[in-house]
Amino acid sequence: GAGVSQSPSNKVTEKGKDVELRCDPISGHTALYWYRQSLGQGLEFLIYFQGNSAPDKSGLPSDRFSAERTGGSVSTLTIQRTQQEDSAVYLCASSSGGQSSYEQYFGPGTRLTVT
Amino acid sequence: KQEVTQIPAALSVPEGENLVLNCSFTDSAIYNLQWFRQDPGKGLTSLLLIQSSQREQTSGRLNASLDKSSGRSTLYIAASQPGDSATYLCAGLHGSSNTGKLIFGQGTTLQVKP
Repeated sequence: GAGVSQSPSNKVTEKGKDVELRCDPISGHTALYWYRQSLGQGLEFLIYFQGNSAPDKSGLPSDRFSAERTGGSVSTLTIQRTQQEDSAVYLCASSSGGQSSYEQYFGPGTRLTVT
Repeated sequence: KQEVTQIPAALSVPEGENLVLNCSFTDSAIYNLQWFRQDPGKGLTSLLLIQSSQREQTSGRLNASLDKSSGRSTLYIAASQPGDSATYLCAGLHGSSNTGKLIFGQGTTLQVKP
């Protein structure tokens, strides 16, 4: 079946611009996660959505980052006033539940380059 | 703060060798441990998931073990093949059983030479 999809696959933006990254989870998956992978920092957790519960935003690096999940499915990660240090690959994952018994399945990522 | 360390950072072996990748974590309060594979420029592919109540999982030529008391997990790859060349990441689910926060190691980059 279809896996997690993300768009765009690549995004180049100028410093100071806002960007939106999209994630389509696996159909029926109730949990959705965003991670960031950058050189020197490895893979870092950003935010987690589970059903109708309040999201866990503890990994967001600054208030320029926000995410929403509409209708319990598609999610958008927004970065305002982008900085060069925001350049990274942004990975989305989903799982069929929010508990530890569920594997997280990852999308191909969006490579963001801030010039 | 949970930290996950993977050793070695890079490994090069001839085809056919059996090999072990190591992962250690500082906080034993993890709820599962997942091993992933990442090919260059690609996303992560889940290989094995070990629940905290389990000791090991097997899939084909892969076997992963978890020892919470020592804070270690290993990924064993039998009869390695050139197609196994990739970066292998371990990640622990930390905080509570209902959180999605995976804490990742830095990865081991494996090259299997024909």
